[in-house]
Amino acid sequence: DVVMTQSPLSLPVTLGQPASISCRSGQSLVYSDGNTYLNWFHQRPGQSPRRLIYKVSTRDSGVPDRFSGSGSGTDFTLKISRVEAEDVGVYYCMQGTHWPFSFGQGTKLEIK
Amino acid sequence: QVQLQESGPGLVKPSETLSLTCTVSGASITSYYWTWIRQPPGRELEYIGYIYYSGSPNYNPSLKSRVTISMDTSRNQFSLKLTSVTAADTGVYYCARAARGLDVWGKGTTVTVSS
Repeated sequence: DVVMTQSPLSLPVTLGQPASISCRSGQSLVYSDGNTYLNWFHQRPGQSPRRLIYKVSTRDSGVPDRFSGSGSGTDFTLKISRVEAEDVGVYYCMQGTHWPFSFGQGTKLEIK
Repeated sequence: QVQLQESGPGLVKPSETLSLTCTVSGASITSYYWTWIRQPPGRELEYIGYIYYSGSPNYNPSLKSRVTISMDTSRNQFSLKLTSVTAADTGVYYCARAARGLDVWGKGTTVTVSS
């Protein structure tokens, strides 16, 4: 199974400041069709996860442009340019390339 | 707007079978892949498996011997059965659309395995 490793696991951030989360996979996430199936999700307390980004860097509809995804192969990053109060919660990366698909451990973002 | 709603018993006895249904509105289940995911308390999300109406379901090998995912196109629903449950199967169970991308999720349903 492909292990997804996120860091940091806890991320205290001041409002208005940037934040960055790293996600590393145990093997390359490039699929045979040429796509890289790496997604980012945000889960607020008591809610289901919401997808923010798919295929490394494509933002979902309605996701603010302060969120951006980047990376390739085995190393990926989610960046928030200016953290807002509504961004608190847990962020997960997930790979959809190698079966069984798998999630990272989650990064808990909190406001300092 | 696509919506998914999980339903089923919130309490299951050890060694019995967990059965959940996901009702889809706003989209035909014959047009997409559909997935079950779970989240044990305080732990990361775990992929259970997915189904497409014209193919065989695909199950996580860690659960394969106990899992069945099926589809009812007449009701626009898909279902999860997990046999021989133990306390380790306690958690929040989610249904979601798509396999590789999980673009729409249900609100989740909590299942507790306890006698």
